[in-house]
Amino acid sequence: DTGVSQDPRHKITKRGQNVTFRCDPISEHNRLYWYRQTLGQGPEFLTYFQNEAQLEKSRLLSDRFSAERPKGSFSTLEIQRTEQGDSAMYLCASSPPSGSNTEAFFGQGTRLTVV
Amino acid sequence: QKEVEQNSGPLSVPEGAIASLNCTYSDRVSQSFFWYRQYSGKSPELIMSIYSNGDKEDGRFTAQLNKASQYVSLLIRDSQPSDSATYLCAVNTRRLTGGGNKLTFGTGTQLKVEL
Repeated sequence: DTGVSQDPRHKITKRGQNVTFRCDPISEHNRLYWYRQTLGQGPEFLTYFQNEAQLEKSRLLSDRFSAERPKGSFSTLEIQRTEQGDSAMYLCASSPPSGSNTEAFFGQGTRLTVV
Repeated sequence: QKEVEQNSGPLSVPEGAIASLNCTYSDRVSQSFFWYRQYSGKSPELIMSIYSNGDKEDGRFTAQLNKASQYVSLLIRDSQPSDSATYLCAVNTRRLTGGGNKLTFGTGTQLKVEL
């Protein structure tokens, strides 16, 4: 399967704990995005990488959130000191390098539940 | 005014009928428009992209774009029960540094295809 892969698929954590999610994009895609989706809403943009450079961060991404893409391949999203409001589906998407109107493909998502 | 607006539904259509899903957007400079299908508990799946005014057909799906009216729609012909899902309209509201697209999503329209 050459699609976007996310791990884990589900994560239940206690409030105050740190969690880290991983995303492996489609291999030839150099653009990688993180989105967050809560029930009944569409995905909301969090951050964007081109290769290893993080070029954009949403105001939704508080100081407790950090994302990396150290070698321009896989990416990680870490949430420190989780809060119940962080419960959501965290979606990773990737798109190819060529052109400006490029399609983004999503992974299966990581569903986070903070108890 | 929301950047991307969709009727949340549910939209119920009988099997074999045409389902018409609508979306309006507020930013006139938007250039790329996408429809994603999302089954309950799953991640969004890209089904159509459209960049120019007019119609774009792909199998049973037709996307329609009218930039003057800031309106994009998705028609599903010969609707099947397996089409029952939430359909998300996504618009690139801003070009990101390096050429990526920040997508803004509507809240989605729930489609139910009834036997």
